[in-house]
Order: sequence, then structure tokens, then C-alpha cells
Amino acid sequence: GQNIDQPTEMTATEGAIVQINCTYQTSGFNGLFWYQQHAGEAPTFLSYNVLDGLEEKGRFSSFLSRSKGYSYLLLKELQMKDSASYLCAVRDDDYKLSFGAGTTVTVRA
Amino acid sequence: EPEVTQTPSHQVTQMGQEVILRCVPISNHLYFYWYRQILGQKVEFLVSFYNNEISEKSEIFDDQFSVERPDGSNFTLKIRSTKLEDSAMYFCASSRFPGGAFFGQGTRLTVV
Repeated sequence: GQNIDQPTEMTATEGAIVQINCTYQTSGFNGLFWYQQHAGEAPTFLSYNVLDGLEEKGRFSSFLSRSKGYSYLLLKELQMKDSASYLCAVRDDDYKLSFGAGTTVTVRA
Repeated sequence: EPEVTQTPSHQVTQMGQEVILRCVPISNHLYFYWYRQILGQKVEFLVSFYNNEISEKSEIFDDQFSVERPDGSNFTLKIRSTKLEDSAMYFCASSRFPGGAFFGQGTRLTVV
């Protein structure tokens, strides 16, 4: 089975940095994805890690440690529009995505 | 920027009725997926489709569900006899490579 854990909620101030952790225990691993989902909307792709290390993409970075079953998404210079749910998803050996329950990030002025 | 499009955006149906949810994947993508998200819950995989056949399906995707690619552009999900618990947001997704996917805006299905 797939077990993907991430915190339920996080709150941060505009301009700050927030780190969203994700731990996983899955039957097979073929990459880890982060998606952003605003309420009532579709998930939108943010980042993808398949090898250990940090992937940077503008204000967003994602890190992966396969040996620890651990990833984080780092959001820098937070903006109000970053308030959303952030979904950690693991791709298994059959290439399907299993999603965590999501972390709701609230950015305050 | 190319995108996955889904119709309708919202569908209300009576329990026991058949519904067809429609999707137009991104044109050069080869892998197609349906996911669903019950309100307040996590996104769940339903089925993946490649080379005109189902490649994987979850336990949710029982005999009441079917998928079809009737022509070169559309990808449909049919629920034969809807139940109240089928009420959810249904997302179509597509990708050039297996796994990672770009999602459509979803169809909100309400079964009454």
C-alpha cells in the first residue's frame, strides 16, 4: 500500500519562507511530484524529483532523499496568492500517482 | 499554453443514471488518466490509459466504470449506474511520459 504523510495546515507571513515536509512509504518509487491546488480548482504541477537532491524553480524548490523516504517543498518570498493546498504525490512502479492529503498553506499579510 | 479541457464543468444526475464525462487531453500526450477527489479528501487514482487500452486501474474503478478514446482527441469516463458516493470532482490528466501529469479543470459530479 501507499502511505504519504504531510502536515495538514501551515501558516506563514507574506514575504517569509515555508517548508512543507512529506514522508512516504510506498510499494515502489519512480519519482515524487508536488502540486498546488487552489480551492475548487485542479492540481497544477509545481515540481518533480526522481534523484536525491534539490531542484530549484524560481521561488519554489523541492528536495528528495530516497533513502529516508522524505521530500520537502520550499516556498520563498511568500505571496498572498500562494495560499493554497500543496499536494505531495509519489509515482510508483506502475507509473500511477498516489497523493497525500495535502497541506493547506495560509499566507497572512 | 496547451491544456487539458473537460466538459461539463458541473453535472447533476439522479442516482442510477449513466453519466459520461468528457476530456480532451493535450494533443501530443500519450498517457491519459482519470482521478477523482471527494470533497475535503485527497486526490485518488482511478485509471490510466495508454495505447488504446487500460494500463492500470484502482479498486475504485469497478465494473460500473469504463473509459474510452472514441476518436483521436477525446477521452471519456462513463459511470454506468451512479451512486450517491460517486459525487466528487473528476479530473482528467494527460502526459507525454508515464506518471507525471497535467490536470484538466475537473468536472464536479453531483449525484442526487
